[in-house]
Order: sequence, then C-alpha cells, then structure tokens
Amino acid sequence: DADVTQTPRNRITKTGKRIMLECSQTKGHDRMYWYRQDPGLGLRLIYYSFDVKDINKGEISDGYSVSRQAQAKFSLSLESAIPNQTALYFCATSDLSTQYFGPGTRLTVL
Amino acid sequence: GENVEQHPSTLSVQEGDSAVIKCTYSDSASNYFPWYKQELGKRPQLIIDIRSNVGEKKDQRIAVTLNKTAKHFSLHITETQPEDSAVYFCAASMGGELVFGKGTKLTVNP
Repeated sequence: DADVTQTPRNRITKTGKRIMLECSQTKGHDRMYWYRQDPGLGLRLIYYSFDVKDINKGEISDGYSVSRQAQAKFSLSLESAIPNQTALYFCATSDLSTQYFGPGTRLTVL
Repeated sequence: GENVEQHPSTLSVQEGDSAVIKCTYSDSASNYFPWYKQELGKRPQLIIDIRSNVGEKKDQRIAVTLNKTAKHFSLHITETQPEDSAVYFCAASMGGELVFGKGTKLTVNP
C-alpha cells in the first residue's frame, strides 16, 4: 500500500542517540498512529493524532515523542535511544475505523 | 481501558481444514472489531471487520462472529490453503484507537 510510506525502512543506532522516524500518507486521512511491534506482544500503540492539532499518548508513550507537521505527516522521535527500544515500528492512518499500515521501520539500538 | 485477549497464540492445521481464532474484549462500549493478517516481513492488512450491530459477516472463505453478551468474537477460515499461513491479529475499538490482541501464528501444512 504505497499510500502510506515510512522512512527510513531500517536503522541501526547507538544508545543515547536521538532518532526520528517519519511517516507520510496520501490517503487524505485525518487520523494517524504510531505502533511498535515486538515478538509475542502484538502491536502496541505509542501515540496517535486525530487531526493536526491533536496529539494523544498511547499505551507505551514513555521515551517517545511525536510531531504532526501536517495532515499528511506524522513523525516519531526517540530523544535518547535505549536498547529495549529495538523493535519494528509501524505508522498507520485511518478514516473513522479502518487502519492502513505503512511498511514498517526496523530499528536496532546498540 | 480496553483489553483484548487472543487465543491460541499458535495454530497448526492441515490444508483444507478449518481454523478458528478467538478473542475476548473487556469494554462493552467497544463497537468495531477488525481482523488483520500479517505475512512474514509485511505490514498488517485488514481482512475482515464487524461492527457491534451485526452478529456475523462472511467474505468467501473467511467469516467473523460476534457475541456482544459474552464479549467475544472469532475468526473462522474454511478450506485453509498454504497462503493462509501468517500471523492474525484481532482488535477492538470504541471509534477511536484500536487495541490489538497479541496475535495468532497460523501454519497451514500442505
């Protein structure tokens, strides 16, 4: 689904570094989300935004921050990366219900 | 908040058999229940969903049933094929963010 894109697709970084993951969508959706996926734990919500001026914490927001630069762009930042933030990160967008996921960013923190 | 439990965590069936995955949710206000399929290395993709005003929905070989009284919903796949092998996630929503189950890894053996 090329309508939702994420950059970078893979990233290796070191403990303590700041890193930003970016998400863009051309679906025209107001709602955007960031999830992390760990083996056996499913998809856990980090932050979500229902419009440009709206930011909400999800289940596991500690250690993360977000910015909604425009309707089409939603960025996730790790201010000081730590090894247990190694995971697969997905961005998603939605209309009122159905969520469409981006291809994911595999992040490794050494 | 909402809590979604999903069982089993792994399921192995022979090609042609049926597969059933079950989920329970905790918040009776939830009214939207999607199912996502995630193939290895890919993003989750919606395969079927059901709303609280409907008890059952079918789409070819897949069906979802919802029991609001018991607060559980199930995914049924009939005549399974090797390409059905994937991780399946259920989720629940009250119209905002989705809460996901931890996933079921389905293996269809030829």
